[in-house]
Amino acid sequence: ETGVTQTPRHLVMGMTNKKSLKCEQHLGHNAMYWYKQSAKKPLELMFVYSLEERVENNSVPSRFSPECPNSSHLFLHLHTLQPEDSALYLCASSQDTAVGGYGYTFGSGTRLTVV
Amino acid sequence: EDKVVQSPLSLVVHEGDTVTLNCSYEVTNFRSLLWYKQEKKAPTFLFMLTSSGIEKKSGRLSSILDKKELFSILNITATQTGDSAVYLCAISNSNSGYALNFGKGTSLLVTP
Repeated sequence: ETGVTQTPRHLVMGMTNKKSLKCEQHLGHNAMYWYKQSAKKPLELMFVYSLEERVENNSVPSRFSPECPNSSHLFLHLHTLQPEDSALYLCASSQDTAVGGYGYTFGSGTRLTVV
Repeated sequence: EDKVVQSPLSLVVHEGDTVTLNCSYEVTNFRSLLWYKQEKKAPTFLFMLTSSGIEKKSGRLSSILDKKELFSILNITATQTGDSAVYLCAISNSNSGYALNFGKGTSLLVTP
C-alpha cells in the first residue's frame, strides 16, 4: 500500500445505479485529487481539493460528484453513468497544492465498469 | 494548451538491454517534468526534473531534461523483468502548479 487507500478495487454498475468511490490517505497531506485513466488516453485530472475546499473542477459532467469531508477522506459519488465512463479512477494526495505535483502519492485505483 | 507526447507507445526488449524512453512537451510557464512508473494500477514517483542538463539517477534508472529542445529522456540500463510497466511523463506549469498534465505513457515489456 502506498499510504493512499481506495475502495472498492473493482466496481460494476448499471447506468441507473448510484455508487460511491472512497479514498483515504494517512500521509498528513492537505491536497487530494481524482484522476480518470481511460484505455489509450492520458490521465485526466477531474477534481482537486485543498484543505477540504474544491479548487478545481476540470469540466467534469455533473454525474460525477466529489465530496471531501476532511483532509484525509475523499469520495466520488456516481449516478446515471454512461458506458464511456468505464475507466480506472485514481485518487492521489500531496502535501499541498502549491508544490506542483511534487510527491504526488497515488492510490491503486478503482476499476469501474458501467454496463 | 499544454501537451505531452511520449514515444514509443510500446516497447519489447530482452533482459539486459538498455532502453531510452522519450517525452516531448509544450507548456506555458514550465515548472517541472515528472516521471512515474505504473505497474498494475498505482503510479509511483520516479523523478522530478526542473533544470536542464542535470541528470537524476536512481540505480539503473536515470533521466535528464532539455528545456531548450523541450524534451526529457528516461534511461533504464541492464533491464530486468521487474522493469515491465507503463512509464508516465507529466508536466506542471506555474499557472496551476498542482495540476499535472500526463502523456499517454510508454508500455515497456522486458522478456527473460
